[in-house]
Amino acid sequence: DQQVKQNSPSLSVQEGRISILNCDYTNSMFDYFLWYKKYPAEGPTFLISISSIKDKNEDGRFTVFLNKSAKHLSLHIVPSQPGDSAVYFCAASKYNFNKFYFGSGTKLNVKP
Amino acid sequence: DADVTQTPRNRITKTGKRIMLECSQTKGHDRMYWYRQDPGLGLRLIYYSFDVKDINKGEISDGYSVSRQAQAKFSLSLESAIPNQTALYFCATSQGVGETQYFGPGTRLLVL
Repeated sequence: DQQVKQNSPSLSVQEGRISILNCDYTNSMFDYFLWYKKYPAEGPTFLISISSIKDKNEDGRFTVFLNKSAKHLSLHIVPSQPGDSAVYFCAASKYNFNKFYFGSGTKLNVKP
Repeated sequence: DADVTQTPRNRITKTGKRIMLECSQTKGHDRMYWYRQDPGLGLRLIYYSFDVKDINKGEISDGYSVSRQAQAKFSLSLESAIPNQTALYFCATSQGVGETQYFGPGTRLLVL
C-alpha cells in the first residue's frame, strides 16, 4: 500500500511556462517532504524540501507547496527549461526517523 | 569523483545464483540505504543502516541480506536470485536526522 502517490506518470509543458507536479500522501504522521530529480542513468538528486511547519518553500525557480489538510504537496517550476526534463520523485518522512517513502515519479518533458 | 559509487552498474544473472551489489561512499555519512526502483512503484526501501553495528529491514527485505563492512561500505546480497528481483537498485547515504539522502548512480539487475 503506497503511502506516497504521484498520480500523473508524465507531464509535458512548453519552455517558459509553469510546470506543476503533484503528490499525495496518506500518513498524517509525515512531517518532512522532499522532491528529487532523476536523469536517465543517474541516481536521484535532491531538489527541494519542506517541513510541515511551513506551507511554502521557494528556491529559485522551484517552489514547493504543502497542504496538510488535504495531504497534498506540489512542485512548481517557473519558468520551465528544457534541462528540467527528468523524472521527479516526491518523498515523505517522519522527521526524526529519516526513513523516506517515495512516490512512483512523474516524467516531465519540457519542449523547446 | 562521485561521492556515492555502486558496482557493478549493470548485471545479468540467472535464477538461483548468488549476487552481491556493492556501495561505497566518500561523504563520511553514518547512514546508508538500499532501495529498488520498479516501474510504476517508485523507490522502495530494502534495508538501512544507521551505523556499522546497526542494520534494519525496510519495506521489502525478503530475499535480500546486507552487510555493513565499514562506515563507507554497504553491500546488498541476493542469496538466490529470482526473476522478480529484476529492478534498478540504488544505494543512498545521509548524515543524520532530517538530512537529505545522496544517491549513487544505480545498478541495473536482470535476473533470467
